[in-house]
Amino acid sequence: TQLLEQSPQFLSIQEGENLTVYCNSSSVFSSLQWYRQEPGEGPVLLVTVVTGGEVKKLKRLTFQFGDARKDSSLHITAAQPGDTGLYLCASKEVVSDSWGKLQFGAGTQVVVTP
Amino acid sequence: NAGVTQTPKFQVLKTGQSMTLQCAQDMNHNSMYWYRQDPGMGLRLIYYSASEGTTDKGEVPNGYNVSRLNKREFSLRLESAAPSQTSVYFCASSELGTGTGELFFGEGSRLTVL
Repeated sequence: TQLLEQSPQFLSIQEGENLTVYCNSSSVFSSLQWYRQEPGEGPVLLVTVVTGGEVKKLKRLTFQFGDARKDSSLHITAAQPGDTGLYLCASKEVVSDSWGKLQFGAGTQVVVTP
Repeated sequence: NAGVTQTPKFQVLKTGQSMTLQCAQDMNHNSMYWYRQDPGMGLRLIYYSASEGTTDKGEVPNGYNVSRLNKREFSLRLESAAPSQTSVYFCASSELGTGTGELFFGEGSRLTVL
């Protein structure tokens, strides 16, 4: 089972500041997903990265996948209170040729204050 | 747009009592999952069902049983609840065999065992 380490565990910033959270593993990811979870809700998928070196942007969020596919980062520019939430990375653990299940990191709790 | 529906949302049990968490999805997904979420530990997979008629153990199956009743429904049963099972439980579903493996989550069921 692949272990996913997320850092930092907690991040508190002011509105307008930038932040970066990280997801690392000692093993190569087959693919990596980032989810955001708001209080009282289930996680919601933000992005999936598959190719080493890949960069994806979602408005003010930038996701990077490391060249060696062992790490990923999520950067938020000019954070807003609506960005507050638990950010989870997840990797696909291959079970069979056609199916896999997701393994999650412990998450980074981000709090953006006005 | 119901998506994944879990019941109940809140439950308090005494040690030794039993209960069943219900989950239903209306997206015609083949795969369904039960996760538990504890502070600082992210989401841990309890059981999953890759397709109708199959179930398999995840990372933390002890003390739980599941039933894939049909394609839509996947229930989680605690036969004799223990305080260590106090947690937030999430049901999720996904398409079988898709490259992204995106999970769609319910809103969670908060269980307290006294």
